[in-house]
Amino acid sequence: KQEVTQIPAALSVPEGENLVLNCSFTDSAIYNLQWFRQDPGKGLTSLLLIQSSQREQTSGRLNASLDKSSGRSTLYIAASQPGDSATYLCAETDSWGKLQFGAGTQVVVTP
Amino acid sequence: DGGITQSPKYLFRKEGQNVTLSCEQNLNHDAMYWYRQDPGQGLRLIYYSQIVNDFQKGDIAEGYSVSREKKESFPLTVTSAQKNPTAFYLCASSIANEQFFGPGTRLTVL
Repeated sequence: KQEVTQIPAALSVPEGENLVLNCSFTDSAIYNLQWFRQDPGKGLTSLLLIQSSQREQTSGRLNASLDKSSGRSTLYIAASQPGDSATYLCAETDSWGKLQFGAGTQVVVTP
Repeated sequence: DGGITQSPKYLFRKEGQNVTLSCEQNLNHDAMYWYRQDPGQGLRLIYYSQIVNDFQKGDIAEGYSVSREKKESFPLTVTSAQKNPTAFYLCASSIANEQFFGPGTRLTVL
């Protein structure tokens, strides 16, 4: 069974600091990798999708990289703001379109 | 507005009752999914459907049932056979293998 791991489980940073969130996966045949944000009691918001043929994707202050050979993806959030406080989940997609999720990293950005 | 709606937002069930969670999408997506989320855990796949009138079991299908009679709708029934149904339930649809999620239903067993 494929596994997705996110470390650390929780992270607290002062406002303005860059955030680095890690995701590792065991599926060498990954189809794509998706990063989501989840606010308490809410659904998931898609942040970035990286196809298996890509190395990275960028959207505003967010940048996600993908290294299939090492089974890792990293989400960078530049110049963090209190509004970035949330849980961030990564999920890898297999060729059937099924997602395997990590447990998430809970981020707190302090003013 | 295009999107995915789930209802109700909160649902309370007595032990031994079946309940049905609604999921509707107007994105014209073929594939739809149901996930369960427990505190401190990632999402786990219950059922998914790639096309109307067809669906497949996910990793934790026991105690759940679904139907897919219309492209827009993918209701989930939590049966009395589900031993620990208290959880947050999320519905999703996808296109080109990118998934989009509804706001979720929180089910509590009394």
